[in-house]
Order: sequence, then structure tokens, then C-alpha cells
Amino acid sequence: GENVEQHPSTLSVQEGDSAVIKCTYSDSASNYFPWYKQELGKRPQLIIDIRSNVGEKKDQRIAVTLNKTAKHFSLHITETQPEDSAVYFCAASANQAGTALIFGKGTTLSVSS
Amino acid sequence: NAGVTQTPKFQVLKTGQSMTLQCAQDMNHNSMYWYRQDPGMGLRLIYYSASEGTTDKGEVPNGYNVSRLNKREFSLRLESAAPSQTSVYFCASMGNYNSPLHFGNGTRLTVT
Repeated sequence: GENVEQHPSTLSVQEGDSAVIKCTYSDSASNYFPWYKQELGKRPQLIIDIRSNVGEKKDQRIAVTLNKTAKHFSLHITETQPEDSAVYFCAASANQAGTALIFGKGTTLSVSS
Repeated sequence: NAGVTQTPKFQVLKTGQSMTLQCAQDMNHNSMYWYRQDPGMGLRLIYYSASEGTTDKGEVPNGYNVSRLNKREFSLRLESAAPSQTSVYFCASMGNYNSPLHFGNGTRLTVT
């Protein structure tokens, strides 16, 4: 089955800096890669996703890149703000019946002002 | 729309007790999932149901059973709770393949 590795487990940045979180996956059949943000005591919420037919996707200050050959994808947050502080999860799944999203272990991002 | 509703929000059990976590979604989604979240371990898939009438094991199914009662409801049962099952449990649903996963608010379970 799919295995998703996520690094780093914790990340501390100054407000205004950029943050990068990296994930690798094992199943070459995976073709959907979402990122979720979870604030303390809340449920995970989707912030951006990418499918295997594109290499990069941006949404304001966040972007995701995908390298299918190397089986890794990354989340980039620019101009970080204190409200970006949260746990971020990457995930992967294949686009077929009987599969499910498998998550990485998460990255705790702390943005200090 | 309520989205994904989980009950209860909190539960304390003694070792050996049983309980069922309830989950219902009102988005007409085909697929439903149960994850558990433990510190440093991320979200681990327990069981899922790709469509009404089917269920499959995830990464950590031992000690759990599930029932897809109908398209809306997907329950998770602990037959004999153990301290290792202390966790936050999230139910989620998904419409089409590889569309966003919608999470419930979670159930915080403590087994003493």
C-alpha cells in the first residue's frame, strides 16, 4: 500500500519568511496530492491540492509542486504570517475505486512575529 | 448543510468496555472514512467505505469494526476498548474520487 513520508516534523520561521514542507510517496499509481491545515483543536481543512497532470499550482501565498518521477511533492508558503501557525499534512491517493487518502505524519509550523 | 456530523464529541471508557462512534454526512457522498489521530503519528486510516455496501481495512484496523448502514451513515465500533485506542477519531467523506475530503469535528476518546 501507499506510504507517505513528510519532513520536517517541526518548522519555525520568522514572520515574512518562506516555509517549505516536503513529502515523498511510494505508490507510483498515486495521482492526487492534497495538503491539509489543522489548527489546534480543530478538524483538518484542505488548503490546496494537485493532480498528477500538472507540476505546480498556486493560490495566493501558497503553492504546491509535484515531481512524479522522483515521487515527491512540496508545499511552499511565502510571506508567512502568525495565522499560518498550524499543523500541515500532506496526503496521496490513486484515482480509482477502493483507494483512500494516506497522510504523512504532519509538520508543526510556528511563525513568530 | 451540516456536512459531516460525529457523535459523541468526548467519551471516556474503561478497558474492556465497548462503544460505537457515529458518523453521518448530508452531502450525498459515496465514500466515507475513519481516521485516528495521535501525537506525532498524523492521521492514520482505520477503515473506509468506497461506496454503500462495501468496507475495507485501512492502515490500523485491528480492534475496530465498521458498518456502512446506508449512504449517509458510517459507524465505528470498539468491541473491547484498550488504552492504546485512546485517540482523536475523525470521520470524513468524499464525493468523487480525488475530490476534497470533508472531515467531521472529531471524537476525543480516552480509555482508562
